[in-house]
Order: sequence, then C-alpha cells, then structure tokens
Amino acid sequence: KNEVEQSPQNLTAQEGEFITINCSYSVGISALHWLQQHPGGGIVSLFMLSSGKKKHGRLIATINIQEKHSSLHITASHPRDSAVYICAAQVWHSGGGADGLTFGKGTHLIIQP
Amino acid sequence: SQTIHQWPATLVQPVGSPLSLECTVEGTSNPNLYWYRQAAGRGLQLLFYSVGIGQISSEVPQNLSASRPQDRQFILSSKKLLLSDSGFYLCARDRVGTEAFFGQGTRLTVV
Repeated sequence: KNEVEQSPQNLTAQEGEFITINCSYSVGISALHWLQQHPGGGIVSLFMLSSGKKKHGRLIATINIQEKHSSLHITASHPRDSAVYICAAQVWHSGGGADGLTFGKGTHLIIQP
Repeated sequence: SQTIHQWPATLVQPVGSPLSLECTVEGTSNPNLYWYRQAAGRGLQLLFYSVGIGQISSEVPQNLSASRPQDRQFILSSKKLLLSDSGFYLCARDRVGTEAFFGQGTRLTVV
C-alpha cells in the first residue's frame, strides 16, 4: 500500500512570497496528481505528472521519480491562492483492476495580503 | 471531453435520512470508478471502487453502499445517515494507462 506524505501541513505566507509544498510517496507510481481544494468548495485538478516538470501560470510542479518526491511551487503568491493543496499517487497495473489513488492529507495554505 | 459530473455540491441531511450521491462520467467507456471520503482533519480515503457494471468493491466497512447501474454512472447511498457520515465525498475515474479525473466533490453535513 502506498503511503503519501505531504509537508508542511499548514503554511501561512505573505503575498508575493514563493511557496513550496512537498509530497513524498513510498511505492513506485505511474502518475502523481496535484489538486486544489478551496474552503467549502470543490476539487480542482492542477497537474498530473509522470516525470519532469510542468508549469501553468504561476504554478509549477516537479517530480523526481528516483527519489519518490514531488513539489508544487507557487510564484508571486496571492491571497486567492489560499486553499488546501493535495497530492495523490496513482498506480497503474498492466493487468487492469482498480487501485485508485492514495492521497496525502493536504497542505492548508493561507496567503496574507 | 473527459469530465465527471458529481452532484449535489453541498448537502445538509438529518440523521436517519437516506442519501444518494450521483456521479456520471463522459468521454470514455468502461472506466474504473471510485468514491472517496475526506473526514474533518483527514486525507481522502477510498470507500468503494468499481471496474464494471454491477461490480463493487468496498475498502472499509461503513454505513454506506455503492452501485453502478450503468457503465458511466456510480452512486453512493445510505439508508440511514449517521453524524459520522459527514464529510467531503469525491468521485474519481481512471483507466489503466490514463490519467485520473475528478468530480468537484460533495460536502455532506449530517445534522
């Protein structure tokens, strides 16, 4: 069973700061997802990574397969970035079946103006 | 497009009342479908998964059940809600070799 650990659990920063959220997992994976959950709101899928790095606006996600580690970065952070960020590990098996995803507990980010 | 429709977004139900959350998917056939729950202060945990019509597997014993009456429809139900059923429920889908897609989630409050 995959174990997914996120750090930090809580993060408060000032507007404009560079933010890094980390995610590590214990078992080799097929893909790593980063999700955003706004207070009282739904889930938004930010990235799916199998290797390397992806960028979307001010968000950057990286993954190191050998080290079983991924990071989510936010540049020029803004109060509207305040949310819970969740990483999830996805494993595909050649035989099919459904293993689903293993989720981290989330990082609660608050960006203060 | 490959999307998941999950509704309702929020729900307040009294203890002892029934529950039905529906998830439908578009853009693919024979997906694996999942229901996850996030209790307060905890991460999302797998409740049920389905690899096909009528095929349901449960990860943890609970007051809930799931059904898959059609290939692209996955329903989470309860006959009588408990206070402990409160939480955030998320539907997701994948297939081997493809990325996962997520519904928006349902925030359920049992009062």
